[in-house]
Amino acid sequence: ELKVEQNPLFLSMQEGKNYTIYCNYSTTSDRLYWYRQDPGKSLESLFVLLSNGAVKQEGRLMASLDTKARLSTLHITAAVHDLSATYFCAVDTGANSKLTFGKGITLSVRP
Amino acid sequence: EAQVTQNPRYLITVTGKKLTVTCSQNMNHEYMSWYRQDPGLGLRQIYYSMNVEVTDKGDVPEGYKVSRKEKRNFPLILESPSPNQTSLYFCASFRPGRTFEQFFGPGTRLTVL
Repeated sequence: ELKVEQNPLFLSMQEGKNYTIYCNYSTTSDRLYWYRQDPGKSLESLFVLLSNGAVKQEGRLMASLDTKARLSTLHITAAVHDLSATYFCAVDTGANSKLTFGKGITLSVRP
Repeated sequence: EAQVTQNPRYLITVTGKKLTVTCSQNMNHEYMSWYRQDPGLGLRQIYYSMNVEVTDKGDVPEGYKVSRKEKRNFPLILESPSPNQTSLYFCASFRPGRTFEQFFGPGTRLTVL
């Protein structure tokens, strides 16, 4: 059974500092997704990582994928308050387009 | 605008009263799924569909039905809702291709009393 683990589950960040959050998964995967969710809202697609070594950047966020280690990282540069949200990673094994989600990491940026 | 829509967005109902949550996408996607989101459990797939008239169970299908009579619509049916189906529900659609991006609807918050 595929398991997706994210850690830490909660992260208090100081404005202006850099942070990295992690997503580990237990079996071979075709694709890895990062989503952002604001309270009471839907999931907003951030990145889709399709292959080993893939790196994608959008603004202050950069995601990378190491399929050999079954690990994806989301790096945050110079955190700002607008980045406060819950971030989910999800893995697609290609079987039926099912995404298996991690529990999510709630980021809170303080001044 | 490319989007996935769900209705209703909020619903409070009572045990045993049949209900349907609609989902529609305008992107001509083959794949559609339903997920439920619960605190501490994350998002779990309920049912999925790979095309018209092709549906199958996800991880937590008990108590739910779906149908896919048209490509754009994928309704979720609760024949006899129970309180343990109180949850936040998301519909998603997807077409394999260059980006593999999966799009989520706005969510339906269901409370079963």
